[in-house]
Amino acid sequence: DSGVTQTPKHLITATGQRVTLRCSPRSGDLSVYWYQQSLDQGLQFLIHYYNGEERAKGNILERFSAQQFPDLHSELNLSSLELGDSALYFCASSAPPGTSSYNEQFFGPGTRLTVL
Amino acid sequence: GQQLNQSPQSMFIQEGEDVSMNCTSSSIFNTWLWYKQDPGEGPVLLIALYKAGELTSNGRLTAQFGITRKDSFLNISASIPSDVGIYFCAGLPSGAGSYQLTFGKGTKLSVIP
Repeated sequence: DSGVTQTPKHLITATGQRVTLRCSPRSGDLSVYWYQQSLDQGLQFLIHYYNGEERAKGNILERFSAQQFPDLHSELNLSSLELGDSALYFCASSAPPGTSSYNEQFFGPGTRLTVL
Repeated sequence: GQQLNQSPQSMFIQEGEDVSMNCTSSSIFNTWLWYKQDPGEGPVLLIALYKAGELTSNGRLTAQFGITRKDSFLNISASIPSDVGIYFCAGLPSGAGSYQLTFGKGTKLSVIP
């Protein structure tokens, strides 16, 4: 158990819909990262938040957005869903800069999104 | 963007054999991480490497940070059935404030009892 929690575990929805994925980082971690894992693209970085602020964006579609709340949990919002958005979505967290392991990212169990 | 070439893509080995896999990059990385992922689960961090030339062990696992900072190796000794899974290398590029991991495509390990 990494200490990172994600809900829901599974999500099945239809094209055109909007969903929200939730992540709680490990206790004490200020950074949250979102990744998408699909069969053909592997693990792709989407976005990084640190203490409520967006720090870096990767290959995140404009239909996707994220935020980190004051209690440090994060939500990934996916809208106008398409069949190709079906994938595993992971969040990860890491310790604050200045700690010895701040580059190590610990992953949650993931949310499997199926768009029908 | 940066890409990591991970090889081999898959391996079938007998229980008890040693395993070796590697990742190479065209760019310099300042951190290498190795993860294992079981089906339907999140990647689990196995080993973290921070310095060029560093050799780090975690039980039967040993990983090395290449001297050129463009490659890394993972070795598993005396494999057992529970070693089955997909192993990913991941790297953090040099550059202040860069925390987005780049992942290899994974090495799928199968262990024959």
